[in-house]
Parts: sequence; structure tokens; C-alpha cells
Amino acid sequence: DAKTTQPPSMDCAEGRAANLPCNHSTISGNEYVYWYRQIHSQGPQYIIHGLKNNETNEMASLIITEDRKSSTLILPHATLRDTAVYYCILNAGGTSYGKLTFGQGTILTVHP
Amino acid sequence: GAVVSQHPSWVICKSGTSVKIECRSLDFQATTMFWYRQFPKQSLMLMATSNEGSKATYEQGVEKDKFLINHASLTLSTLTVTSAHPEDSSFYICSATTGGYEQYFGPGTRLTVT
Repeated sequence: DAKTTQPPSMDCAEGRAANLPCNHSTISGNEYVYWYRQIHSQGPQYIIHGLKNNETNEMASLIITEDRKSSTLILPHATLRDTAVYYCILNAGGTSYGKLTFGQGTILTVHP
Repeated sequence: GAVVSQHPSWVICKSGTSVKIECRSLDFQATTMFWYRQFPKQSLMLMATSNEGSKATYEQGVEKDKFLINHASLTLSTLTVTSAHPEDSSFYICSATTGGYEQYFGPGTRLTVT
């Protein structure tokens, strides 16, 4: 699976939108963009995924650029409980289905 | 949502002993389970993929004779760390999937080998 690049850390004020970027310039046509997060000393939690269209669920929105070389995860109204490490992961399925390759992620800190 | 549990949540053992960690899918049947390891301040590293009734597939560099994985049913997978050493001290996390797009992760097991 192709590699992703994320900023090591970001800050956000409580109640404001948190926009987490991810670069994946070598993404393949069949690779989905997944976002997971890991709160300290817990297992990761699925947030959202997409192929080429923008996606929204109850947790977040995912914006994927038209050329699919980058994406942004948006937490519309960040709370203190959203403080976590956020991972942007590519997965093509097939024989590699489910085998998630975690990078270093972005440490998001939400301040009061 | 789907829940995955792990037992124990933390364990301390002496060097040379073996430790078994259980991973259970509580409200769904998991076609595939995964085992990850996470060292302090590092990211998760996939160790192996486990399908019910078949041998686990280990990632490169993971010793299959040291990390024994058994997936006896669609709701239970176990990881046994044999002859544990201090360098095996880590946070072990399992995940499970029904074959859909989402993986459900357990809360993790912290292993300390003294």
C-alpha cells in the first residue's frame, strides 16, 4: 500500500472545526483512504473512509481532492474528547484487505 | 456498534515464561482477526492475520514460533507469547472484521516482562 504523509501535530480550540490534512501523492486507483484515531492507551477507532467522492458521517467529513493525491479529515465541532492520534491509511483490498499500515499519524490536541 | 474485547488488559510476567492473550468479538462473527504490536511512542505494527480454522499469516520479521496464534472459532483468537523476554514488553492490540470496510479494534493488552 502507498505511503501517506501527515503533519506530526496540530492544535485546535474546542468548538472549532479541526482540519487534518493527508498527502498521498502515489495513491493507486483502487486504493481507499481510511481514517482511524487512537486515544491514549486504547485501540484505534474507525472514523471514515472514501475512494474519490467526499464522504460524511456522524463523526466527520472526508474531503478528497479531484486528483486523489491528498485529503482532509474535518471534525466540525471539536471537543476535548477528540484529542487523539489520527491516522490516514490507504488500503486497496484484495489480498491486502484489512492489513492496515499505520504511519506516525497526527497528534491532535483540542484546547478548552 | 461492534465490540471487541481483550483479556487480560495488562499482564506482568517473568522472563522465560509464556503469556496468552485472548481477543473476542462479542456481538459479531469475525471472518478475520489481526494482531498488532505497539511500542511506546510508536505506531501500530501488524504482526499477523488470522482466519478461523486456518494457520495465521505472519508479517515479515515476526517469529511464528514465538508468537503463536490460534483462531479456533469465529469469535475468538488467541496470541501466546512464548518464552517472553523484556524486549517483548509492548502493547498488543487485536482487531476483527466481518469482511466489510471497517475494522473493529480491541482495547489492547499491555505486557510487561521482567
